[in-house]
Amino acid sequence: DTGVSQDPRHKITKRGQNVTFRCDPISEHNRLYWYRQTLGQGPEFLTYFQNEAQLEKSRLLSDRFSAERPKGSFSTLEIQRTEQGDSAMYLCASSLLLSGANVLTFGAGSRLTVL
Amino acid sequence: GESVGLHLPTLSVQEGDNSIINCAYSNSASDYFIWYKQESGKGPQFIIDIRSNMDKRQGQRVTVLLNKTVKHLSLQIAATQPGDSAVYFCAESPRTDKLIFGTGTRLQVFP
Repeated sequence: DTGVSQDPRHKITKRGQNVTFRCDPISEHNRLYWYRQTLGQGPEFLTYFQNEAQLEKSRLLSDRFSAERPKGSFSTLEIQRTEQGDSAMYLCASSLLLSGANVLTFGAGSRLTVL
Repeated sequence: GESVGLHLPTLSVQEGDNSIINCAYSNSASDYFIWYKQESGKGPQFIIDIRSNMDKRQGQRVTVLLNKTVKHLSLQIAATQPGDSAVYFCAESPRTDKLIFGTGTRLQVFP
């Protein structure tokens, strides 16, 4: 297992277009997280899944954003009708929740630029 | 690659010195804390974690101290090396579900 994989690494799109990011977590991990990071800021939580169930969504996740994890393995994050403010690094992480510990392993991220 | 944290607080240390990075957390209910290191163009990388029933935990060259009274967390790096140069984030978790990240501190190591 090579860790958390994200694809694409970079995406440039025009305002109003839809984009989709994919995340392949570490295979034995049951939790998968999406975060967004802008320049100079720490990662901001967007949503997370335990297996295929989406357990929490941040209010940052507007109705233009949707995340899925259909079979409890890979996940997709789709942004519809992109806006310039959506430009950011989208980070995926996975974890195996243990008693009292939850170490998230992050991927390298998918950088979105909306023109 | 992408530059992380252009306007972050910066700690500059000489190679071989010890570094101390501080973090104030916000939620009294947080019971799990974790430090990450992020290099330019990469995702955050786990360094060390600590649960609220502890006040100190040591790893290889790193120590995390937790003061719940004042909601303060620190990361100590011994014998800082050039490879330690990065942005460091603390994160808190109230229920071991999601991590809430702080703003970050840039560590610069000079020879």
